[in-house]
Amino acid sequence: DIVMTQTPLSLSVTPGQPASISCKSSQSLLHSDGKTYLYWYLQKPGQPPQLLIYEVSNRFSGVPDRFSGSGSGTDFTLKISRVEAEDVGVYYCMQSIQLPTFGQGTRLEIK
Amino acid sequence: QVQLVQSGAEVKKPGASVKVSCRTSGYSFRNYGISWVRQAPGQGLEWMGWISAYNGNTNFAQKFQGRVTMTTDTSTSTAYMELRSLRSDDTAVYYCARVTRRACDIWGQGTMVTVSS
Repeated sequence: DIVMTQTPLSLSVTPGQPASISCKSSQSLLHSDGKTYLYWYLQKPGQPPQLLIYEVSNRFSGVPDRFSGSGSGTDFTLKISRVEAEDVGVYYCMQSIQLPTFGQGTRLEIK
Repeated sequence: QVQLVQSGAEVKKPGASVKVSCRTSGYSFRNYGISWVRQAPGQGLEWMGWISAYNGNTNFAQKFQGRVTMTTDTSTSTAYMELRSLRSDDTAVYYCARVTRRACDIWGQGTMVTVSS
């Protein structure tokens, strides 16, 4: 199985400040079809996860443009340009180049 | 709009089976797959498996092989996940999610399954 490792596991951010989460995979997520199968999800308290970013850097429908994804191969980053109160929750990266696996999650709280 | 509505909470005894349903609406059911993901209390997300609503093909995480069955009913646009030989560590919220571009893009609300003697 591909192991997904997120850092940090928690972060506390002042509203309006940026935040960044790293995700590293144990194998390259670049497929022979040219796509990189790396996704980001946010699970708000008491809710199911919601898709934020697909294939590294594409925002899902309705996701604010303060969220951005980048990276390649085995190293990926989710950035929030200006954190808002509604961004609180646990962020997960997920790979699906092989059978899907998730990172451990990164809990974001507001200072 | 696209919706996935899951069946209600279940309480089961160790060794029993549970079958969770996921009724979909708002899209062409056969054009997408359905993944099942679970989350133990206070823990992270664990992918269990996937089923194609087009032809019923499945893929399962190795730890669930032989203990899980996933099916679909195209006449009602509903997916099902059955987990057998339940143990206490199967206590979790079970989610279904529509799959597109290999991503789980729309999720059900979750079904709490409690395994307790």
